[in-house]
Amino acid sequence: QQQVKQSPQSLIVQKGGISIINCAYENTAFDYFPWYQQFPGKGPALLIAIRPDVSEKKEGRFTISFNKSAKQFSLHIMDSQPGDSATYFCAAISGRNTGFQKLVFGTGTRLLVSP
Amino acid sequence: NAGVTQTPKFQVLKTGQSMTLQCAQDMNHNSMYWYRQDPGMGLRLIYYSASEGTTDKGEVPNGYNVSRLNKREFSLRLESAAPSQTSVYFCASRGSYSDTGELFFGEGSRLTVL
Repeated sequence: QQQVKQSPQSLIVQKGGISIINCAYENTAFDYFPWYQQFPGKGPALLIAIRPDVSEKKEGRFTISFNKSAKQFSLHIMDSQPGDSATYFCAAISGRNTGFQKLVFGTGTRLLVSP
Repeated sequence: NAGVTQTPKFQVLKTGQSMTLQCAQDMNHNSMYWYRQDPGMGLRLIYYSASEGTTDKGEVPNGYNVSRLNKREFSLRLESAAPSQTSVYFCASRGSYSDTGELFFGEGSRLTVL
């Protein structure tokens, strides 16, 4: 069963546009929500993350919006650039403040930003 | 600083052959993980090791075994490879009580089973 549902599976956005990727979860034990970015031939790397007591976090052109009551969170990429073309994974973590965390990934969104 | 290093990067096996994927990290991290990545399936956890000397099954452990050789190294073994194990495998590590929850990934090992 997919604990974190991610959509869309793929996305094409024109340069300068806004890219939006959505994720939803069921398990209320999740206590941290990171997003990972993966370029072809590379491993995923942490992009930005948010705690559930915060509704929005912004880092440069990347913003996470978090809706705790709806159990949904999304990544917005403003002014999308061709260099943002990559696969994006949302994730959810339980046990963040313990000695061991369990991290569950969404299925990924392949973003292509056209010039 | 190399981070997380995986070997080999590419491997082709015949059905029934065995092989071991090696992973080493130089960040003094306690926790290490093996994931597989398949199109449309995201990253699925195979096995993990919370600390040296311990290992536990993840979401898709069947057909795999692991060894946490020491704090640095965590290997993944396929005893009798099957075409369903064709995938890209990622090793990752994480420090204890990481406030960001950040996993550090290797560059992946692409395995094809014929």
